[in-house]
Amino acid sequence: GAVVSQHPSWVICKSGTSVKIECRSLDFQATTMFWYRQFPKQSLMLMATSNEGSKATYEQGVEKDKFLINHASLTLSTLTVTSAHPEDSSFYICSAAGSGEKLFFGSGTQLSVL
Amino acid sequence: DAKTTQPPSMDCAEGRAANLPCNHSTISGNEYVYWYRQIHSQGPQYIIHGLKNNETNEMASLIITEDRKSSTLILPHATLRDTAVYYCIAGKGGNNRLAFGKGNQVVVIP
Repeated sequence: GAVVSQHPSWVICKSGTSVKIECRSLDFQATTMFWYRQFPKQSLMLMATSNEGSKATYEQGVEKDKFLINHASLTLSTLTVTSAHPEDSSFYICSAAGSGEKLFFGSGTQLSVL
Repeated sequence: DAKTTQPPSMDCAEGRAANLPCNHSTISGNEYVYWYRQIHSQGPQYIIHGLKNNETNEMASLIITEDRKSSTLILPHATLRDTAVYYCIAGKGGNNRLAFGKGNQVVVIP
């Protein structure tokens, strides 16, 4: 099946720094990728839809200047958390559509901001 | 996307079939029923999806009612590794977003 690779798996950073998370579709091309975040014991919340070659579409309440999304190629989307603060600590998950109707997910990135 | 309703939690006996219900009474004609599961601190794993007909794969079976207002995911022989949060989602799939509900915390008991 289709594989979505996400890196890093976990990252610890100081408050005020920026963190970049990569999402790659390994064996298929993805014109659209999705970014979710998940707080402990809660469900996944869609943050934004990333479209190759165009601007991302953000969900209501998600700050586009804080969560920068770049989808420069058909196999790579990146999420940069700018000027991270402790409240940004969360589990971030990307997903991409393979052939047909299936959506495949990366393994997630646990971000801890000190 | 149509809203789905699942029980918040359920226990299943190891080795027995696990039947996970889901209601999606407002599903539209072009929306699929998807099932994913998430084991703690991992990304969601695709299980199965269907539109109208019942589906079966190596992981599970999906039974969709004729009116498509509800469905049941069947894990034929539950194992301890099937303990996870199971999400039933109604959506168009492909390049369309999938919105997750609260899911069903399934615990397989020895």
